[in-house]
Amino acid sequence: QKEVEQDPGPLSVPEGAIVSLNCTYSNSAFQYFMWYRQYSRKGPELLMYTYSSGNKEDGRFTAQVDKSSKYISLFIRDSQPSDSATYLCAMSVSGSARQLTFGSGTQLTVLP
Amino acid sequence: DSGVTQTPKHLITATGQRVTLRCSPRSGDLSVYWYQQSLDQGLQFLIQYYNGEERAKGNILERFSAQQFPDLHSELNLSSLELGDSALYFCASSPKAGVQETQYFGPGTRLLVL
Repeated sequence: QKEVEQDPGPLSVPEGAIVSLNCTYSNSAFQYFMWYRQYSRKGPELLMYTYSSGNKEDGRFTAQVDKSSKYISLFIRDSQPSDSATYLCAMSVSGSARQLTFGSGTQLTVLP
Repeated sequence: DSGVTQTPKHLITATGQRVTLRCSPRSGDLSVYWYQQSLDQGLQFLIQYYNGEERAKGNILERFSAQQFPDLHSELNLSSLELGDSALYFCASSPKAGVQETQYFGPGTRLLVL
């Protein structure tokens, strides 16, 4: 069983829709949670970073962490065609070596 | 643009060969991480260096090695290459560990082993 599970999709939605992307994890030591966006053949781009349980909002993006359920989500409001990309959740444990453990990624297409 | 640079962008080589991938972190970042992205394994952590010293190892093969130089750039050396080593290799950097932990990824090097 992988430490981080992510629905691979693909997910296709109409422009303006609310998108929900989710990851579950099994390692209770994970303390830091991130969402990256990766366009085709490009490097992952950091979208959201959270540490504690709860919600964090940044523009059209909201990251949600539920440590008790080991579940994180990313919501995209008013989705745009430019949001079409692969979304990767990532996590790390506390400590000096904070390598990231990634989900497999969800491919999102927003149709105009 | 994340500020992390990687060279070369593309690399085509043959089985059994050795290649070196180069990474320059963002200005001021002390940590460098190497990741491998393949279709079947996804993004996997290989190795981390912090201010010239190896800090953590992940799923890195013995045929692979890395180092970080005094100017903080890093190189990932891949030897005795196999077809299965074909993948995207990313370098990421982050500042000295603090409250906020973020890693910024470079554009990657696409390696094709024929």
